[in-house]
Amino acid sequence: KQEVTQIPAALSVPEGENLVLNCSFTDSAIYNLQWFRQDPGKGLTSLLLIQSSQREQTSGRLNASLDKSSGRSTLYIAASQPGDSATYLCAVIAGSSNTGKLIFGQGTTLQVKP
Amino acid sequence: NAGVTQTPKFRILKIGQSMTLQCTQDMNHNYMYWYRQDPGMGLKLIYYSVGAGITDKGEVPNGYNVSRSTTEDFPLRLELAAPSQTSVYFCASSPTISGANVLTFGAGSRLTVL
Repeated sequence: KQEVTQIPAALSVPEGENLVLNCSFTDSAIYNLQWFRQDPGKGLTSLLLIQSSQREQTSGRLNASLDKSSGRSTLYIAASQPGDSATYLCAVIAGSSNTGKLIFGQGTTLQVKP
Repeated sequence: NAGVTQTPKFRILKIGQSMTLQCTQDMNHNYMYWYRQDPGMGLKLIYYSVGAGITDKGEVPNGYNVSRSTTEDFPLRLELAAPSQTSVYFCASSPTISGANVLTFGAGSRLTVL
C-alpha cells in the first residue's frame, strides 16, 4: 500500500532563507506527484505537478524535484517571504494509470518570520 | 468563473442526524472528488466520480454516500452522523486531460458531530 510521509511537520525560518521541504513515498510506481499549498481555513492550491517521467518542475521561486527510485521529492523555495507561510502538502497518484486518486502526506507547516 | 463551490461552510450535527454537503463546479470537469482532512493529517479520499452517473469508493467510504446526476453537482450525504465524522470536507474537480490531473479544490466544509 502506497504511503506518503512529510518530515518535518513544522518548520520556521527567517525571511530570505532558501529552504527545502521533503516528501517520501513507499512505492516507486507512481503516475505523478503534486505539491499543494493550503492556507489556514482555506482549500488547497496546486503548485507544481511532476509526471513520473520528469525529474523536476519550476514555477517562479519554487522548484520541485522527483527521484522515483529513492521514493523522494523535494520542494525548494528560494528567498522565502512571510507570504510563503502556509502548509505544504505533497500527494501522489499510485500506479501506472491516471486514476486521479491522490494519496496525501500529512503536510509541513511553514512559518517565515519577517 | 466560480470554480468549485461548497456549501455549507460550517455545520454542527447531533449524533444520528443526516445531512448533505453540496458541491458544484462550473468548469465542465468530468472528474470530481470528496476528501476529508482530520487535524494535522493529509487528505483522504472518500468517493470520486469520473462522470455523470458514475461513482466509486475511495479510501474511507464508510458512513457516506454520493450521487452524480449532472456533470456540475456531486453531493456527499452522511446518513447517521457519528463523532468520527467530525472533519473538514473538501470537494475537488479536474478535467480529463491525458497526462495531467491538476485539481481545483473548494474552500471546504467544516463539520462537527456532537
